[in-house]
Amino acid sequence: DAGITQSPRHKVTETGTPVTLRCHQTENHRYMYWYRQDPGHGLRLIHYSYGVKDTDKGEVSDGYSVSRSKTEDFLLTLESATSSQTSVYFCAISPAVSYSGNTIYFGEGSWLTVV
Amino acid sequence: DQQVKQNSPSLSVQEGRISILNCDYTNSMFDYFLWYKKYPAEGPTFLISISSIKDKNEDGRFTVFLNKSAKHLSLHIVPSQPGDSAVYFCAASGGADGLTFGKGTHLIIQP
Repeated sequence: DAGITQSPRHKVTETGTPVTLRCHQTENHRYMYWYRQDPGHGLRLIHYSYGVKDTDKGEVSDGYSVSRSKTEDFLLTLESATSSQTSVYFCAISPAVSYSGNTIYFGEGSWLTVV
Repeated sequence: DQQVKQNSPSLSVQEGRISILNCDYTNSMFDYFLWYKKYPAEGPTFLISISSIKDKNEDGRFTVFLNKSAKHLSLHIVPSQPGDSAVYFCAASGGADGLTFGKGTHLIIQP
């Protein structure tokens, strides 16, 4: 298994509160990603990072921000949680860009419920 | 606009038979394709991949076929086993911004 730890694994929060999900890797991989999985939508990219302090938006970035101050940690923040952000969030890592044949490996997921 | 499409939300196959999962894509810039398997309450796990310079890749019971002209790929599982019951995601890549996933196909292996 790829050395990826997500925390918290489960969280229930109220609408309007800030939430931070943490992804920690022990593989020293350069690329880190946050995806969300929703019924009928598959996996969609929220944000990704290609190095320390280097991040970019994905397909569904509205309402989310990220930070990467260390190679091993990638944080996803919901500044003011909404019910539409109830989802399963997956962190993923990759040693290089996937078009060079490198695979993206996923963490176990964080279940977030916004009530 | 969905760039990677898995048109079958579910597929039921008898144990021991061949399972064929299909995937279509629209972006001609995609040059690397992957299949992931996902069990409930777990993260997706990498299964098999194929580069656009190939048309077939095998790994044990799993074979992925790529038809670039049709922008179509398929995953064959032979023989199908009960542990293969899971959701299978097709994914494609053409750059640094991660993978583009299909919506998944739920494969059910019947005893």
